[in-house]
Amino acid sequence: NAGVTQTPKFRVLKTGQSMTLLCAQDMNHEYMYWYRQDPGMGLRLIHYSVGEGTTAKGEVPDGYNVSRLKKQNFLLGLESAAPSQTSVYFCASSYRDASYEQYFGPGTRLTVT
Amino acid sequence: AQSVTQLGSHVSVSEGALVLLRCNYSSSVPPYLFWYVQYPNQGLQLLLKYTTGATLVKGINGFEAEFKKSETSFHLTKPSAHMSDAAEYFCAVSEAWTGRRALTFGSGTRLQVQP
Repeated sequence: NAGVTQTPKFRVLKTGQSMTLLCAQDMNHEYMYWYRQDPGMGLRLIHYSVGEGTTAKGEVPDGYNVSRLKKQNFLLGLESAAPSQTSVYFCASSYRDASYEQYFGPGTRLTVT
Repeated sequence: AQSVTQLGSHVSVSEGALVLLRCNYSSSVPPYLFWYVQYPNQGLQLLLKYTTGATLVKGINGFEAEFKKSETSFHLTKPSAHMSDAAEYFCAVSEAWTGRRALTFGSGTRLQVQP
């Protein structure tokens, strides 16, 4: 099993450009999450999904959109990138069971200039 | 809203010394508690978790943590540090009473192990 994979690993954008980050998991997890990690702030939840076709806002959703058309994929979109979105983005997934354990991808390092 | 506080953004210990990383949470209902480790340029890996039952939980790589409800704490310990323990450690809580299951993270503690 590959677990949770993220594409791309690195990206540099200019202000105003758009892009989509792809997260894929092969563990048949129901729940999927997007977090951003900034120095000294831990990880913060951007959006999450409790199942195929459903998404919801997290703690810091502004400037991002998501879609979950297939159970194994969770896409994070930036329509008009801003320097404040320079960060490391992590995707995670989990089962709908009592464990609550989340499995994390390796991250995408995004720089917006 | 729940929050997580990790005391000390940087902790330095000698190899073989005790490791103690502190975590306190604020929540009106006892949450589920987690410790994750992040090695440089990698994702997060679960060290251990507390959901219910025994309050002293053991994890991977010789780490353990104790849930103390009266102190709202979940400190991480390891009796003897190894060079390979150098990493960043995150304490997190889960909203067990909602359907969201998302994690709220502390700001992290970077552990340095001196030879």
